Amino acid sequence: EVQLVESGGGLVQPGGSLRLSCAASGFTFSSFAMSWVRQAPGKGLEWIASVSDRGRGTDHANSVRGRFTISKDTSKNTVFLQMNSLRGEDTAIYYCAKPQHGYHLDAFDTWGQGTMVTVSS
Amino acid sequence: DIQMTQSPSTLSASVGDRVTITCRASQSISTWLAWYQQKPGKAPKLLISKASSLESGVPSRFSGSGSGTEFTLVISSLQPDDFATYYCQQYSSYYMFGQGTKVEVK
Repeated sequence: EVQLVESGGGLVQPGGSLRLSCAASGFTFSSFAMSWVRQAPGKGLEWIASVSDRGRGTDHANSVRGRFTISKDTSKNTVFLQMNSLRGEDTAIYYCAKPQHGYHLDAFDTWGQGTMVTVSS
Repeated sequence: DIQMTQSPSTLSASVGDRVTITCRASQSISTWLAWYQQKPGKAPKLLISKASSLESGVPSRFSGSGSGTEFTLVISSLQPDDFATYYCQQYSSYYMFGQGTKVEVK
């Protein structure tokens, strides 16, 4: 069974840092690009970052570029999201998502359960 | 960036109704469009990819159509389990989601 399990969320002060993890299982992790999508409370979905299958290429949304960094450890079947200089508007549920066919741009056929990040003093 | 505009934002309907949700892209995305269903407290679920390809296990009352800039999700006969929020997503250039359409009980 394909499964994604996020962890690392929590309460952090503005300007602080947090590192999210997403443990993947049930598929050949090194053959799939991976992404993070977030959802602020009561709001819609926002793509924030993607990493290529081998982890060498990354893309980040304008809203987080320069503050967040996505990475991938194929030996641990885990994708990470390092979040620095956090702001109140970063408060959201953060989902890890897997593409259908492994392509860098593809529909997401598997999502994790999400991890909540709250930025507040 | 390619912008996605969904309409309506909210749709009130009854069981058995035919429901249509529209998604417009700010520029052509060919058929690189997906539809998701999300229920409160849950992760989104992929319903349709490539504009019209129904995912395995998704009921056939769901269908998608369109290409270029205009896309449609149709639920042919709304069922109690279908009350949820629906999102379109383009994956032609990076990713962008529509703002969502909440299907609520009339």
